[in-house]
Amino acid sequence: AIQLTQSPSSLSASVGDRVTITCRASPGIGSALAWYQQRPGRAPQLLIYDASTLESGVPSRFSGSGSGTDFTLTISSLQPEDYATYYCQQFNSYPLFTFGPGTKLDFK
Amino acid sequence: QVQLQESGPGLVKPSGTLSLSCAVSGYSIGSGYYWGWIRQPPGKGLEWIGSVYHSGNTYYNPSLRSRVTMSVDTSKNQFSLKLTSVTAADTAVYYCARLSITMDIWGQGTVVTVSS
Repeated sequence: AIQLTQSPSSLSASVGDRVTITCRASPGIGSALAWYQQRPGRAPQLLIYDASTLESGVPSRFSGSGSGTDFTLTISSLQPEDYATYYCQQFNSYPLFTFGPGTKLDFK
Repeated sequence: QVQLQESGPGLVKPSGTLSLSCAVSGYSIGSGYYWGWIRQPPGKGLEWIGSVYHSGNTYYNPSLRSRVTMSVDTSKNQFSLKLTSVTAADTAVYYCARLSITMDIWGQGTVVTVSS
């Protein structure tokens, strides 16, 4: 089974900061990785798929990179609405899925 | 605009069966895509439960496979989840979602509590 880990598990940052979250897959998954944002009390929202493709309507301050086993989600300039929990997800074994444990981003 | 809406009892007794439905609007389930269920226990992360195709093909999370059944009703344009022998560990928000290569459209989620 494909396992995903995320680091850090939590992160404090200020508005305007550049933020990077890492996801590691074992075994490798090519570019079959997505990132989701989940605000409190809300359903997750797809941000990025295929490791680096921005979902329609998602602000360009979000970007993704990586392939194989190591992936990153970057927020170039943190905005107040970005405080949320972020999950990576693999779809290499579609329609079977695995989520990472999540990274909680809060206000510094 | 495709929308999904979960429905079902919010309270289930231990050892009972959890039954939820997801009504799809704005798209015909029979036209394609897999459809899935995901859950989130209080304060915890997301767990994929399973995926179902309009033909009835199913894939389940190995950790839940012995207790899960998913099905599709194309006449009602909805799909369903049954989880048997529930315990307090099954208390969670349950989401349904459309499964393109990712989960691109989600329902708002429904809270299910397992308690006597």
